Amino acid sequence: QVQLVQSGAEVKKPGASVKVSCKASGYTFTGYNIHWVRQAPGQGLEWMGWINPNSGGTNYAQKFQGRVTMTRDTSIGTAYMELSRLRSDDTAVYYCARTIPFDYWGQGTLVTVSS
Amino acid sequence: DIVMTQSPLSLPVTPGEPASISCKSSQSLLHSNGYNYLDWYLQRPGQSPHLLIYLGSNRASGVPDRFSGSGSGTDFTLKISRVEAEDIGVYYCMQALQIRYTFGQGTKLEIK
Repeated sequence: QVQLVQSGAEVKKPGASVKVSCKASGYTFTGYNIHWVRQAPGQGLEWMGWINPNSGGTNYAQKFQGRVTMTRDTSIGTAYMELSRLRSDDTAVYYCARTIPFDYWGQGTLVTVSS
Repeated sequence: DIVMTQSPLSLPVTPGEPASISCKSSQSLLHSNGYNYLDWYLQRPGQSPHLLIYLGSNRASGVPDRFSGSGSGTDFTLKISRVEAEDIGVYYCMQALQIRYTFGQGTKLEIK
């Protein structure tokens, strides 16, 4: 069965970077884009960008341009999302999701940014 | 970016009764191929969101037939024919026409 399993919770200081992983299984990893969506505490969903695992091509939301980097390792079927220059308002649960429409989601990774 | 506006934001419903959520987009989501690029998601408390409806009116795999999606262009509706306790959570619409995908604010469905 299709699964997306994300890395565990992180606590970071303002100005630091965080890298979240999303390991895919149960399907051909290179066949479907992986998207990243975040949700601040008590708030709605915000799309951040996607990566094409086959080509490595990416497309980022303008809001995160220059701060986000999405990569993948096809040998282990894993996608990564790195966010730099963290601020307190980056505190959120970060989800990976497969393709459009988002038919499978990871369990989410809580990233807390606090001094 | 396309702005998605949902209403109501809170929806108390009695089990067995119907429910309806509206989603309006600032631009038409009707593609030249005839499909409306509008999806619906449900996020139950403490869980990841999951897909309910895609391309405006297509139920995702495993979604009960009490859920239906309708609409075209800029106006869309999600209907639940008879609400059950497991339907509680926050419902989001999302436009998938433009790559800068955007969600509605969410509608919280609660059981009376």
